[in-house]
Amino acid sequence: SYDLTQPLSVSVALGQAARITCGGDHIGSKDVHWYQQKPGQAPMLVIYRDTNRPSGIPERFSGSNSRNTATLTISGAQAGDEADYYCQVWVGSTWVFGGGTTLTVL
Amino acid sequence: EVHLVESGGGLVKPGGSLRLSCAASGFTFSSYNMNWVRRAPGKGLEWVSSISSSSTYIYYADSMKGRFTISRDNAKNSLYLQMNSLRAEDTAVYYCGRDRLFGSSWFDAFDIWGQGTMVTVSS
Repeated sequence: SYDLTQPLSVSVALGQAARITCGGDHIGSKDVHWYQQKPGQAPMLVIYRDTNRPSGIPERFSGSNSRNTATLTISGAQAGDEADYYCQVWVGSTWVFGGGTTLTVL
Repeated sequence: EVHLVESGGGLVKPGGSLRLSCAASGFTFSSYNMNWVRRAPGKGLEWVSSISSSSTYIYYADSMKGRFTISRDNAKNSLYLQMNSLRAEDTAVYYCGRDRLFGSSWFDAFDIWGQGTMVTVSS
């Protein structure tokens, strides 16, 4: 099976950049999607296919993907960005989610 | 407005069955692949199953194979998940999610999600 590794938690000072990584074997050759989930809410797509933002997602959300690590970057993190974040890839006719990262904005 | 609304969750005993539904509105349901994802208490998102727009392609996570069955009725704009032989570890909020691409033969990110329905498996 294919595993995606995310840090359990990331902390960032208000207004600074937060980077959440997603590690996987040759993940750079796959399309990576990112979701945000706040307590009591449904997940929300924030980045699709490595670098693309759905309409309505602020420009401060960006993504990159290379070799064995994909990264979600939140530039100028806001208090409202506190949430769990998940990466996702399609591999072997299955969807795989990373374990999730809790972002705390200090 | 595009909407997905799940229903059918509840309390069920181990070994029991439950059928979840997901009602779609505001888009051409028959042209989109659909998915089920769950989140157990204290855990992360877990993919459950996916079905293509015309039900030609169906996929399951290994732990659900043989117990869960995904289906859809395009005439009723509805997605279903039949869950049998339920276990305590199936306790979770179950979400349905729409594939991002219209009329695609391959699977992509989930751009629309329902609010979820809670399934509790306990004696």
